[in-house]
Amino acid sequence: GAGVSQSPSNKVTEKGKDVELRCDPISGHTALYWYRQSLGQGLEFLIYFQGNSAPDKSGLPSDRFSAERTGGSVSTLTIQRTQQEDSAVYLCASSLGGEDEQFFGPGTRLTVL
Amino acid sequence: QKEVEQNSGPLSVPEGAIASLNCTYSDRGSQSFFWYRQYSGKSPELIMFIYSNGDKEDGRFTAQLNKASQYVSLLIRDSQPSDSATYLCAVGSTLTFGKGTMLLVSP
Repeated sequence: GAGVSQSPSNKVTEKGKDVELRCDPISGHTALYWYRQSLGQGLEFLIYFQGNSAPDKSGLPSDRFSAERTGGSVSTLTIQRTQQEDSAVYLCASSLGGEDEQFFGPGTRLTVL
Repeated sequence: QKEVEQNSGPLSVPEGAIASLNCTYSDRGSQSFFWYRQYSGKSPELIMFIYSNGDKEDGRFTAQLNKASQYVSLLIRDSQPSDSATYLCAVGSTLTFGKGTMLLVSP
């Protein structure tokens, strides 16, 4: 079956602009996660959605970051007023929830000039 | 602050040898443990998961978990050049990742 998909695969933006990154999870997976991977910080958790529960936003680095998940499926990560330190690969993963294994999408490489 | 520690490597082994990758974690309440393989420029690929103390085998891979020592390891038997990658240890339901160990398998 289809895996996790993300778009765009690459995004170049100017400092101060807003960006939206999209994730389409594996069909039937109720849990969706966003992570980012940068050279200095490794792979870090950002936000977690489980079904209709309130999302766990504990990993978001600032209030410029937000995410939505519509209809329990597709998710959008929005970064407002982008900064150069936001440059990273943003990875989405999905799972059946709880402690189940997570499967990653191909990522979106964000470059802020 | 939950932490996961891995030796950054590189770990170099000859083809056909056993590669041993290690990981320690700080959160004693952790319930789930994962090993991901990541090739350069690609996203992490799940190769093993383990929830209970002891060993879990899948093909050439064996994951070992010791919760008392807060230690998890990955053994790769009959290592192949195609196993050359960075191996990421991850812990918990909202994954906390180590920085990864680079494995190099020489023909």
